[in-house]
Amino acid sequence: DAGVIQSPRHEVTEMGQEVTLRCKPISGHNSLFWYRQTMMRGLELLIYFNNNVPIDDSGMPEDRFSAKMPNASFSTLKIQPSEPRDSAVYFCASSSSPPGGSISDTQYFGPGTRLTVL
Amino acid sequence: SQKIEQNSEALNIQEGKTATLTCNYTNYSPAYLQWYRQDPGRGPVFLLLIRENEKEKRKERLKVTFDTTLKQSLFHITASQPADSATYLCALANTGGFKTIFGAGTRLFVKA
Repeated sequence: DAGVIQSPRHEVTEMGQEVTLRCKPISGHNSLFWYRQTMMRGLELLIYFNNNVPIDDSGMPEDRFSAKMPNASFSTLKIQPSEPRDSAVYFCASSSSPPGGSISDTQYFGPGTRLTVL
Repeated sequence: SQKIEQNSEALNIQEGKTATLTCNYTNYSPAYLQWYRQDPGRGPVFLLLIRENEKEKRKERLKVTFDTTLKQSLFHITASQPADSATYLCALANTGGFKTIFGAGTRLFVKA
């Protein structure tokens, strides 16, 4: 398996522009997570999906952030409009949950997208 | 609020020695605790998981302990090697949900 795939790996944009980050989870995994990592705040969970449904988006910083998972093999995280304080590394992770819906043990992370907003 | 604390300073040890990393938490009752490794420019990689009813778990040169009374986990790497140099993250999760919270990580340097 190729693991979790994220694109782009690097993104540089100007303040006010729309940014879309993409993630392909590991085939067969039914949970997907978006994280943001900065030196100041560490790794923060933004949102997670289970079976393509958003379960908890309480970590999404504000309305400028939105995430979708139209199918089991694809998710996007969009920032519109972007601001310099959004600069960070954004990770996507996936995991498999056993029948019954209880949490799985291991999350598999993608390589991340390094976002720089000028 | 929920809080996870890891050694904020980098840990420098000599090759062959045992590295011990600490993870303390407050205002949280985790069902289990995980340790991840993160190398520069890469995503975290899962290493070990220990459940609330377990005291210790081992995997090759790694050992994790979990004391729910002290609200602390210790992560040991025995016979450390320069290749073990990385940042190690502690993560907590509770039952019934999918939300995992991560510590800030401890940077480990193993000198040859």
